[in-house]
Parts: sequence; structure tokens; C-alpha cells
Amino acid sequence: GQQVMQIPQYQHVQEGEDFTTYCNSSTTLSNIQWYKQRPGGHPVFLIQLVKSGEVKKQKRLTFQFGEAKKNSSLHITATQTTDVGTYFCAGSSNDYKLSFGAGTTVTVRA
Amino acid sequence: DVKVTQSSRYLVKRTGEKVFLECVQDMDHENMFWYRQDPGLGLRLIYFSYDVKMKEKGDIPEGYSVSREKKERFSLILESASTNQTSMYLCASTPGTGTNYGYTFGSGTRLTVV
Repeated sequence: GQQVMQIPQYQHVQEGEDFTTYCNSSTTLSNIQWYKQRPGGHPVFLIQLVKSGEVKKQKRLTFQFGEAKKNSSLHITATQTTDVGTYFCAGSSNDYKLSFGAGTTVTVRA
Repeated sequence: DVKVTQSSRYLVKRTGEKVFLECVQDMDHENMFWYRQDPGLGLRLIYFSYDVKMKEKGDIPEGYSVSREKKERFSLILESASTNQTSMYLCASTPGTGTNYGYTFGSGTRLTVV
């Protein structure tokens, strides 16, 4: 079945630094979504990418969908303590159901 | 804002008990989902439903069943709870068919089976 792999599993970042988390699929995706889960909270939808090569920005967050629609990335610039949490990607290859990655858990050193 | 409400935040049940997890959404969403979340494994789909009285198996349906008698309510049932079903259970809903909508999740139910 479809698998979505996410790396790294953990990311320890110095406040003010940038980092990137990556998402890779074994199959071509029709779309990809990103979610953020704060510690003790539930996943919250951030964004959806649909087009090959699509890039979307939300303030300091930049989301990219690969040309082959099999990978995606989330890049955060100038990390802040409010960025702490787990970031999940979720992809669909059949517009039927989403498969979630295992998530990247981000901690920030002040 | 859409609200997805899960009836219990924490539950402790004994092995062999029948367990009901309830989820209610208030925005007339068509689709509802049950996931379990375990460290290092992400979110895994248990069951989902596209309409009242309709249900589809997800990736890990074994040991679970569901019920959707009303559009706003989707229940997850553990017929005979086992310790390997100790997990965080998340309910979600979306307004339409397919995956073109972001999921709205409930706050989760942390179930411990002893």
C-alpha cells in the first residue's frame, strides 16, 4: 500500500536557525497536506499542495511539492519557540484517503 | 469554526471490556474518520465513513468496529479491549468526498487498557 516516509524523526533547532523536514512517497501523490500538532494537542491542518512543483508560503513556513509529486518539504526560517511541535505530512494517491507520515518532532533551544 | 468533539479525554479500561469512543461534529460534514496515533508510527487509519450507515475499513481495522447512525456522530467500538490497543485515538471530519479538504481533528482520547 501507499507509504509516506518523513525525515528526520526529531529536529533540535537553535532559536533563530532554519530547518527543513522532508516527506517522501513510494507512489505519485494527487495532493499532499501538512499538519502541526503542538505538545498535548491534536493535529491542525496547515496547508494543501496539489500542483507539481507548487510552492506556498505561510509567514516563515515554506511548503514545496516536488516536480514528480512524490515528495514534499517544509522549511521554517528563523525558528521561534512557538514552532515547537510535531509536523506531519499526509498524502493521497487516489483521492480516497490520506496516509500520514510518522512526523518530525521539533524542539527549540532558546 | 468546525468543532469535532470526542467524549472522553482519558479512559482506562480492563482487558476484555467492550469500549465505546464517541465523536460528534457540528458542521454537517460528510466524511468522518478514526485514527490511532502511536509514537514513531504517526497516524494510522482505522475506519472511515462517507455517509450515514456507511463505513469503510482503513489500514488497521482488526479488533475495531464503527457505527454511524446519524451524520454528526461516528463511534469507534473495541469489541474486546486488549493491551495493544492502548493508544491515542483521534477522530476527524471533512466536508466532502475525497482528500481535497483539510481534516479537522478532535482533541483525542487517550485510552489505556490494563
